[in-house]
Amino acid sequence: DAGVTQSPTHLIKTRGQQVTLRCSPKSGHDTVSWYQQALGQGPQFIFQYYEEEERQRGNFPDRFSGHQFPNYSSELNVNALLLGDSALYLCASSFRGEGETQYFGPGTRLLVL
Amino acid sequence: QKEVEQNSGPLSVPEGAIASLNCTYSDRGSQSFFWYRQYSGKSPELIMSIYSNGDKEDGRFTAQLNKASQYVSLLIRDSQPSDSATYLCAVILGGGADGLTFGKGTHLIIQP
Repeated sequence: DAGVTQSPTHLIKTRGQQVTLRCSPKSGHDTVSWYQQALGQGPQFIFQYYEEEERQRGNFPDRFSGHQFPNYSSELNVNALLLGDSALYLCASSFRGEGETQYFGPGTRLLVL
Repeated sequence: QKEVEQNSGPLSVPEGAIASLNCTYSDRGSQSFFWYRQYSGKSPELIMSIYSNGDKEDGRFTAQLNKASQYVSLLIRDSQPSDSATYLCAVILGGGADGLTFGKGTHLIIQP
């Protein structure tokens, strides 16, 4: 049973560039949430997708956008990258109606130079 | 601002002892509570979820929830060096929230 997968594992970008991160949920899950984790901090909620729609959004600017596909996989897009966007980006999947328990993928480490 | 608070540590516990990790939250409407373990450079791994007041046991781990006092704790019995990690408390806030709100995590060190 495949768990949550993310790609790429590492990424280096320069300020002002755009980046797309990808996530495939655990088998049987229909909901994908994205988190940003800075060094030494707990993950911060970016947004959640269910039925191909953004259901809730955390305190992140519009530079952060996403998409969910019919197969439940998801993308996170970040435009106009800032140095402060350097972080571990985590995708978590869950099945709506199953206690909202979220399982995390391995993450994508983004470095903005 | 609705918050989840944890003591960042480090918390040092001798091997074989009980490690006690605590977490408080500010939103009385919170209904779902989770403990995750995160090794350095890795992603969070779910340890336990708890939804009702009282204790929930799974192997060497026991989660305790007290909604009246707004705290949730995790006990690790017979601590092993492999338990050394950062433990993250996460809460789904009330009011129809979907995302997890995390504390900053407690760094636990088990000393052999």
